[in-house]
Amino acid sequence: EVQLVESGGVLVQPGRSLRLSCAASGFTFDDYAMHWVRQAPGKGLEWVSGISWNSGTIPYADSVKGRFTISRDNAKNSLYLQMNSLRAEDTALYFCAKEALAGNWAIDYWGQGTLVTVSS
Amino acid sequence: QSVLTQPPSVSGAPGQRVTISCTGSSSSIGTGYDVHWYQQLPGRAPKLLIYGTTNRPSGVPDRFSGSRSGTSASLAITGLQAEDEADYYCQSYDSSLSGVVFGGGTKLTVL
Repeated sequence: EVQLVESGGVLVQPGRSLRLSCAASGFTFDDYAMHWVRQAPGKGLEWVSGISWNSGTIPYADSVKGRFTISRDNAKNSLYLQMNSLRAEDTALYFCAKEALAGNWAIDYWGQGTLVTVSS
Repeated sequence: QSVLTQPPSVSGAPGQRVTISCTGSSSSIGTGYDVHWYQQLPGRAPKLLIYGTTNRPSGVPDRFSGSRSGTSASLAITGLQAEDEADYYCQSYDSSLSGVVFGGGTKLTVL
């Protein structure tokens, strides 16, 4: 059974940094691209970033480019999101997500999310 | 404002057919990039409903179907059931943004 378990979400002040983690199990982690998708309270889904199986392709949404860094450790079956210079508008539930097929961007498994609140 | 445009809400009575549109541009759906659809029940993570514009993952009823025409895509739900009441999102890729894009979401109400 595929499982994606996010952690690291907390209440943090504007301008500070935070690192999210996602522990993956139930599939061959290094065969698949992974993504972070966020959802602000009461709002829609927003794609944040993705990373190919070998970390060779790493796109970002314009809203986080230059502030967030996605990475993965295939030996540890883990995905990460380093979030710097956090803003109030980064407040959201952050989902770790597995890509279904290489290059088609569909997401077939989602974690339950970890909540990041940016507030003073 | 989302790159892919969806109606904020749609509704239908049990047993009826509803469609949800997803309008993109020449740099997204119009280029031929795959369109995917997700269903999100309240308080739950999204669930993949349609991938590759027209394909259903195992376990998704054939009441759900997807299509594309030009720069738009649609999700059709036939034989509407109370359990279909949820938020629905389309997703594709946009070459001008070099990234994945979602629609703003559509809330389906079963009357």
